[in-house]
Amino acid sequence: EIVLTQSPLSSLVTLGQPASISCRSGQTLVHSGGNAYLSWLQQRPGQPPRLLIYKTSNRFSGVPDRFSGSGAGTDFTLKISRVEPEDVGVYYCMQVTQSPVTFGGGTKVEIK
Amino acid sequence: QLHLQESGPGPVKPSETLSLTCAVSGGSISSSSYHWGWIRQPPGKGLEWIGSLYYSGTTYFNPSLKSRVAMSLDTSKNQFSLKLTSLTAADTAVYYCAGGWGWSASDFWGRGALVTVSS
Repeated sequence: EIVLTQSPLSSLVTLGQPASISCRSGQTLVHSGGNAYLSWLQQRPGQPPRLLIYKTSNRFSGVPDRFSGSGAGTDFTLKISRVEPEDVGVYYCMQVTQSPVTFGGGTKVEIK
Repeated sequence: QLHLQESGPGPVKPSETLSLTCAVSGGSISSSSYHWGWIRQPPGKGLEWIGSLYYSGTTYFNPSLKSRVAMSLDTSKNQFSLKLTSLTAADTAVYYCAGGWGWSASDFWGRGALVTVSS
């Protein structure tokens, strides 16, 4: 199975400042069709995960444009351009290029 | 937009079989547009994908659980189900049902059902 490694484990961010999370894959996530099926999920405290980004850089319905995804091959990044109070939670990367689906270990985002 | 709601037994005993159902609204489980699946999260830990199911009967399972997992659709109730056999304490987790357009079935998530395995 494909192993995903996230960094940092936690991030303390000032409101209104940017945040960045990295996800590295043990093998390329580029599918034979040319797309990299790397997604990002947000899990606020006490809530279920919510899809933010799919296929590396596509925002899911209703996701604010301060969230953006980028990357290729084995290295991917989630960026929050200006952190808001509701962005507190744990963020997971997830690969759906190959079965089984696997997740990164999570990055906790907190406000200073 | 899909809405999903899990229902389940709560506490279960070791060696028993877990049965969970997921009621779906906002879409038909017999639609060719969606896949349906399950993901779990042990308390305070990360996410583990269990598997997914398509209306045609095609399934994808995590190899780590495949020998103990079964999934099915109930079109009359617009819901789908998970069975997990031979439970141990390691199966204690919040179980999420999910649905989506791709085989991973991870676009829309239910609120989760806590299952505690304890004697």
